[in-house]
Amino acid sequence: ETGVTQSPTHLIKTRGQQVTLRCSSQSGHNTVSWYQQALGQGPQFIFQYYREEENGRGNFPPRFSGLQFPNYSSELNVNALELDDSALYLCASLTRPGTGGNEQYFGPGTRLTVT
Amino acid sequence: KNQVEQSPQSLIILEGKNCTLQCNYTVSPFSNLRWYKQDTGRGPVSLTIMTFSENTKSNGRYTATLDADTKQSSLHITASQLSDSASYICVVSASGTYKYIFGTGTRLKVLA
Repeated sequence: ETGVTQSPTHLIKTRGQQVTLRCSSQSGHNTVSWYQQALGQGPQFIFQYYREEENGRGNFPPRFSGLQFPNYSSELNVNALELDDSALYLCASLTRPGTGGNEQYFGPGTRLTVT
Repeated sequence: KNQVEQSPQSLIILEGKNCTLQCNYTVSPFSNLRWYKQDTGRGPVSLTIMTFSENTKSNGRYTATLDADTKQSSLHITASQLSDSASYICVVSASGTYKYIFGTGTRLKVLA
């Protein structure tokens, strides 16, 4: 176990709805990255938060937004859900931003199904 | 364009056999390369990490190699076990960025 937790485990939403996914990072980690992993694909980087600020963003539209709290836990919000948003959403915590020798510790993921 | 390609896409082997998974990348400037194991519906777990100067790294029955000149890496699994059934993902990061570039993975199935 990595010490990174995510909730909920599974979620079913209807197209057009909004969803909030949550992540608690490993103790001592101040950076969180979020990924979307479609079935049979590798994870795609959504964005990273460092000390409550967005530190970088992948190729995702503005309806994907996030927050990081003073305790370094994080939320991923998706508005106006589309069928293609169905995926496993992973968060990963790091001790600091940047990729150097910096290890990412992944949570178990939230499986989102949009119908 | 930064890319990571893995082969084969899927692989079936018998328990006890060895196998080798391949990863080719075009990420520049290269910082490091990681191999992850991902069980179905779970988050990836790191197996090895290698920087430019390292050409081999072992973790139990897993041995990763890196050829930075040809931009290729391999993950060799020795004496496979049923619990090795999973997806294996190669991840490369570029220096000075926050981005990790993930391959699509190799889906390994070990049969009894």
